Amino acid sequence: KQEVTQIPAALSVPEGENLVLNCSFTDSAIYNLQWFRQDPGKGLTSLLLIQSSQREQTSGRLNASLDKSSGRSTLYIAASQPGDSATYLCAVRRNYGGSQGNLIFGKGTKLSVKP
Amino acid sequence: DGGITQSPKYLFRKEGQNVTLSCEQNLNHDAMYWYRQDPGQGLRLIYYSQIVNDFQKGDIAEGYSVSREKKESFPLTVTSAQKNPTAFYLCASSIASMNEQFFGPGTRLTVL
Repeated sequence: KQEVTQIPAALSVPEGENLVLNCSFTDSAIYNLQWFRQDPGKGLTSLLLIQSSQREQTSGRLNASLDKSSGRSTLYIAASQPGDSATYLCAVRRNYGGSQGNLIFGKGTKLSVKP
Repeated sequence: DGGITQSPKYLFRKEGQNVTLSCEQNLNHDAMYWYRQDPGQGLRLIYYSQIVNDFQKGDIAEGYSVSREKKESFPLTVTSAQKNPTAFYLCASSIASMNEQFFGPGTRLTVL
């Protein structure tokens, strides 16, 4: 059974710092991995999607990497800003079985960037 | 304006009542999904639909029902059989089942 873990559960950093959020998964047979951002009381905003054949994806100050063999992904945020404060969720998409295509979510990392 | 809309934003239900949560998308996506989010837990899949007139149970379907009569719409009914319905409900869609998912703003359901 696929399980997705995000550590730490919460992170507080000063403005301007570069930071890394971690995501690990137990079954390497994934189709792709998606990173999301969630603001309090809101829906999820898709940040980056990495296909299983890719090593990384970049969007602005965000860079996501994927190491499928070790079951790990990282989300790198450069020059953090207070507006980056949110919960970041990692989700993997199954590559087999009757629920193929469905996302399995981690519990998220709550990021606070202090001015 | 393309996107996913959910209504209402807040919903209050008395014990024993059925309630229906609306989800509409104008992205021309084939696949639609319903998730439930509880504090301290990851999102859990309730139901999903890969195409009109077809839907499948997710990991926690008991006490819920759905329909997919139109491509744009995927309403979720929370029945009185759902033991602990208080949660934040999120609807999502994707072009096809293996593609990037996009989410609506959510409905917060509270049982009084």
